[in-house]
Amino acid sequence: TQLLEQSPQFLSIQEGENLTVYCNSSSVFSSLQWYRQEPGEGPVLLVTVVTGGEVKKLKRLTFQFGDARKDSSLHITAAQTGDTGLYLCAGPLMYSGGGADGLTFGKGTHLIIQP
Amino acid sequence: DTEVTQTPKHLVMGMTNKKSLKCEQHMGHRAMYWYKQKAKKPPELMFVYSYEKLSINESVPSRFSPECPNSSLLNLHLHALQPEDSALYLCASSQDLGGTRPQHFGDGTRLSIL
Repeated sequence: TQLLEQSPQFLSIQEGENLTVYCNSSSVFSSLQWYRQEPGEGPVLLVTVVTGGEVKKLKRLTFQFGDARKDSSLHITAAQTGDTGLYLCAGPLMYSGGGADGLTFGKGTHLIIQP
Repeated sequence: DTEVTQTPKHLVMGMTNKKSLKCEQHMGHRAMYWYKQKAKKPPELMFVYSYEKLSINESVPSRFSPECPNSSLLNLHLHALQPEDSALYLCASSQDLGGTRPQHFGDGTRLSIL
């Protein structure tokens, strides 16, 4: 079973603060993706990390893939109210034939940035 | 605006009704997916289509019946649903199968079963 444990599940902070969201698993993933979902909309891809130890930056967002490819983190610097949303980490579902079809998601982090 | 279009946006139906959810993409993607998302929960995979053939059925009850008429369209036929089936149903597509491919999601159909 490929489970992704995400923490924290809920986070409410003031604008301008920094935060980190964690995504952990006991399984090795070939890649991990981070999505952001706003109410009434579908998830939107933020980043895909593929290589162990990889760090990717997207403006104020920094994504890291663990060396062993079992964990990832999302760090937001100087959070803004527009960052409010549900952040989801996701990895490919592996099947017995070795193929990767579809995604398994972590439980998500509900992030609220207060003005 | 999302490149994956889902209709209708909202659907209310009784337990004896038959209805269909529709999903359309024109990005030339060859893999399409149905996910179910309950409130405050992450999406859960239901079905995967690859090159218009059903690739994965995640043990979904037969009251949900997927159909892929062509490479751009994906339908989900609903019959005799239960109240616990009320959820947001998300369609997604990707260029093809493979874990690194980004999935493009529609905005979903919010389904309520009376």
